[in-house]
Amino acid sequence: GESVGLHLPTLSVQEGDNSIINCAYSNSASDYFIWYKQESGKGPQFIIDIRSNMDKRQGQRVTVLLNKTVKHLSLQIAATQPGDSAVYFCAESHNAGNNRKLIWGLGTSLAVNP
Amino acid sequence: SAVISQKPSRDICQRGTSLTIQCQVDSQVTMMFWYRQQPGQSLTLIATANQGSEATYESGFVIDKFPISRPNLTFSTLTVSNMSPEDSSIYLCSVGNRPENTEAFFGQGTRLTVV
Repeated sequence: GESVGLHLPTLSVQEGDNSIINCAYSNSASDYFIWYKQESGKGPQFIIDIRSNMDKRQGQRVTVLLNKTVKHLSLQIAATQPGDSAVYFCAESHNAGNNRKLIWGLGTSLAVNP
Repeated sequence: SAVISQKPSRDICQRGTSLTIQCQVDSQVTMMFWYRQQPGQSLTLIATANQGSEATYESGFVIDKFPISRPNLTFSTLTVSNMSPEDSSIYLCSVGNRPENTEAFFGQGTRLTVV
């Protein structure tokens, strides 16, 4: 069936290092991808998105890379800070009839060590 | 951006009772969604709240158990009916923007414990 999975359920990094969170998806019809950050006790927060006609998009300290050939998505966080500690979810979206279907990954917990 | 106010933030309820969760958005939005999330797990879509018509439920969720209202473009409610301990979870409201109409903003969630 359709699924979006994460390679690493937990990731621990040193403050100041770069973090890379990976995600695999299986639906070749997916044309829109989103990364969310969820801090403890809060709802998910939109970080960055990318459409399938792109392979890279940059935001503030974050970069999303999309490799459609191998159905792989990654989120790179530059100079990771303690405030980046959270669970990160990838999600893929595709058309489903008159609406769009969003499929969520399992989540990766990022721990930043001071 | 959109600011979402979700109430209550948490509640402890007796089994067999019902709880209605409110979601208020500070601007008109096309799409509103209701999710359930077990602690430490990913999100599961319950239904899409449609303004002026019946909600669209995902597989495994039914209207009798999770009735949803959406009277206008800024407000929706989710009721968890005839609760059992298995309904203990975090319930999240989300809104979407065009053009993708996918979930862009989330409320802070309602942590429900059924005893």
